[in-house]
Amino acid sequence: LAKTTQPISMDSYEGQEVNITCSHNNIATNDYITWYQQFPSQGPRFIIQGYKTKVTNEVASLFIPADRKSSTLSLPRVSLSDTAVYYCLVGFSSGTYKYIFGTGTRLKVLA
Amino acid sequence: GAGVSQSPRYKVTKRGQDVTLRCDPISSHATLYWYQQALGQGPEFLTYFNYEAQPDKSGLPSDRFSAERPEGSISTLTIQRTEQRDSAMYRCASSLYSGDSYNEQFFGPGTRLTVL
Repeated sequence: LAKTTQPISMDSYEGQEVNITCSHNNIATNDYITWYQQFPSQGPRFIIQGYKTKVTNEVASLFIPADRKSSTLSLPRVSLSDTAVYYCLVGFSSGTYKYIFGTGTRLKVLA
Repeated sequence: GAGVSQSPRYKVTKRGQDVTLRCDPISSHATLYWYQQALGQGPEFLTYFNYEAQPDKSGLPSDRFSAERPEGSISTLTIQRTEQRDSAMYRCASSLYSGDSYNEQFFGPGTRLTVL
């Protein structure tokens, strides 16, 4: 059962675009890719979900290449309030749905 | 309810005692998940329910851990004979039915368990 891999941490400045990549080499055909955001002392909060190509909502974009072995979360023009841990989540459908969070990327946005 | 609620929010117990944690999911949500989150780590999957069925409990660390959801709504996670290594945040989440597709999980505030 493969796990996801993300960079441990990233720093950025306010107003910049931030891209966080997650690798998931053993993703199954039916699996979706989902990203969550977590602030200290809070539970994770859904950001975006996708299956292939590109998905965009009001807060982020998700890019998924054709082989689906990785995905990139893109946060446009980050602000200080985007400082959080970002998790990549892939559901593994090997008979049941066991949801595994990635290692998480700690994003720090600097003024 | 308006969101996922968990109780108690904090639990301190002595090693060897049993503890039961409660999760009250969003009322329309058929699927309920339990996670364990150590400080500075990502949530680790424990188990999940679709209604009252428990398709996967392979994430439970040992047979001291068990979960129930007898009527398909409220769920409890019980840890018997607690050990210090069980100290962690226990998070519950719920979603629309996730039988063959993924649905957004809504997380509760968690229960911070400390085993002395």
